[in-house]
Amino acid sequence: GAGVSQSPRYKVAKRGQDVALRCDPISGHVSLFWYQQALGQGPEFLTYFQNEAQLDKSGLPSDRFFAERPEGSVSTLKIQRTQQEDSAVYLCASSPGGSGELFFGEGSRLTVL
Amino acid sequence: RKEVEQDPGPFNVPEGATVAFNCTYSNSASQSFFWYRQDCRKEPKLLMSVYSSGNEDGRFTAQLNRASQYISLLIRDSKLSDSATYLCVVNKGDDYKLSFGAGTTVTVRA
Repeated sequence: GAGVSQSPRYKVAKRGQDVALRCDPISGHVSLFWYQQALGQGPEFLTYFQNEAQLDKSGLPSDRFFAERPEGSVSTLKIQRTQQEDSAVYLCASSPGGSGELFFGEGSRLTVL
Repeated sequence: RKEVEQDPGPFNVPEGATVAFNCTYSNSASQSFFWYRQDCRKEPKLLMSVYSSGNEDGRFTAQLNRASQYISLLIRDSKLSDSATYLCVVNKGDDYKLSFGAGTTVTVRA
């Protein structure tokens, strides 16, 4: 497709399970971002990739969160030993360069029971 | 203090009305400013960038006041389709890192 694609759209996990969320950015976009959006809040920055290099992971809430983009295109956000406070929408965005308009995917809505 | 603060609203206005709202930002080094629109349970989409001199895009007008560190958005001749949450977005000084406000909800009624 032409836009940013994320999967799964919805994920229900039991507390303690590991989850993996996938992002397929717009072809050719160098920059890829992950954001976390809690209900009623704006998106919060998690991490940033330029091609395959993870240049900033300062927003990852804990060491249970891990992101990768090994070939500079598809990215995976992994959350280990999920907790209830991890419940949120995880948004992936890409852009042609490091600044300017972000193109978001529809998000992966994670619910941890 | 949050980096970007917005009046959450909701602003309930009739079709054809003008609605305006602001957001304030805390980082005086911020250089880039945007308004994004987010429909219910959908992803944010860029509405417009905000330039120092102020700018218009059809019925939408954005203003930036660097001295007071606030940004405004004005919507003229509101349409039902303008109902959405409007996110104020500011960069943190690093080009790539954006801070989002919690959003202002606008509901336009027939």
